[in-house]
Amino acid sequence: EVQLVESGGGLVQPGRSMKLSCAASGFTFSNYGMAWVRQAPTKGLEWVATISYDGSSTYYRDSVKGRFTISRDNAKSTLYLQMNSLRSEDTATYYCTRVTDYWGQGVMVTVSS
Amino acid sequence: DIQMTQSPSFLSASVGDRVTINCKASQNINKYLNWYQQKLGEAPKRLIYNTNNLQTGIPSRFSGSGSGTDYTLTISSLQPEDFATYFCLQHNSFPGTFGAGTKLELK
Repeated sequence: EVQLVESGGGLVQPGRSMKLSCAASGFTFSNYGMAWVRQAPTKGLEWVATISYDGSSTYYRDSVKGRFTISRDNAKSTLYLQMNSLRSEDTATYYCTRVTDYWGQGVMVTVSS
Repeated sequence: DIQMTQSPSFLSASVGDRVTINCKASQNINKYLNWYQQKLGEAPKRLIYNTNNLQTGIPSRFSGSGSGTDYTLTISSLQPEDFATYFCLQHNSFPGTFGAGTKLELK
């Protein structure tokens, strides 16, 4: 059974950093592209970042370019999202997804002083 | 980015009803359209991929259709467990973009 389990969320002050992790199981992680998708309170879903199966290619939405870094450790079957210089508008539930089929339950990130 | 307009935003229906949910893309997405179901506190679940392909394990009362810019999810006979939020995703063009969601409620 495919499972994606996010961790690392919580409350963080504006301008600070936070790192999300997504532990994958039930499939060969190194064969799949992965992504982070977020949903702000009362807003729609938006694609945040994508990484290719081997980590050689990444994509970021404009609003997070230069602040967020997506990465992966195929040996650990884990996806990461390093978020720096966080802003209030980054407040959202962040989902890890195996593009485009399986999703995790999400982890809440709240950016507030 | 491709814009996805999903309708209706809210839908009130009864068990046994047939319901349809629509997504309209701002340009041709070549049938690269998925449908998902999301329940509170749970991971989104893919129901349909590439317009009309039923995900393994999903009941056959769910079906999808469409082409070009217009796509539809149909639930032929609502069951109690179907009351949830549904959203579409186009993955024809990078980045994927989502419909705003349809909350299906019990009448």
